[in-house]
Amino acid sequence: AQKITQTQPGMFVQEKEAVTLDCTYDTSDPSYGLFWYKQPSSGEMIFLIYQGSYDQQNATEGRYSLNFQKARKSANLVISASQLGDSAMYFCAMREANNDMRFGAGTRLTVKP
Amino acid sequence: DTGVSQDPRHKITKRGQNVTFRCDPISEHNRLYWYRQTLGQGPEFLTYFQNEAQLEKSRLLSDRFSAERPKGSFSTLEIQRTEQGDSAMYLCASTRTRGQGYTEAFFGQGTRLTVV
Repeated sequence: AQKITQTQPGMFVQEKEAVTLDCTYDTSDPSYGLFWYKQPSSGEMIFLIYQGSYDQQNATEGRYSLNFQKARKSANLVISASQLGDSAMYFCAMREANNDMRFGAGTRLTVKP
Repeated sequence: DTGVSQDPRHKITKRGQNVTFRCDPISEHNRLYWYRQTLGQGPEFLTYFQNEAQLEKSRLLSDRFSAERPKGSFSTLEIQRTEQGDSAMYLCASTRTRGQGYTEAFFGQGTRLTVV
């Protein structure tokens, strides 16, 4: 069964605006980690941000923040002050205790000048 | 360069041939993953190792696929009797387990396989 859902195949945002990329997940394990990766057209997977299920505060890394709503099982990525270089595919992933890491289908973000 | 490295970067093979890919993880990382990614899709999990033990294999990993990590360091992924449907990017990632926490996985640049 699909455990990670990204419902937005594509998103557009104006340069310098903020954008939210959605991610919902499904698990019965109380211990898990949530990750966001960026994949530019060059193909490499770049780690952006991590949220642990027991973390009390939402994770932030520079312009990236993770809006973690545990009860709703959502882990949305917020990118502030979008830049042209943010145009890429974005993948949400989850790792449960002692298990593999699974990815969503991704969201293609296009930043317009 | 101390990142994850994969070899080769590109491989073109004829249908029915065998191919082998190699992944060298970050040296202190004890967990190694293999994924397959087709155009416009997210990475699909194939298998992962904790040290030299292969802990899980996806149903995507048919009998034609085999992976090894003999000494808990580098890993190989072999595809026998390749089919056109095997054409994809094969990604390797490594991470280290840290108590109850989760560390991010670092990815190699992938091996792009084209079966003609």
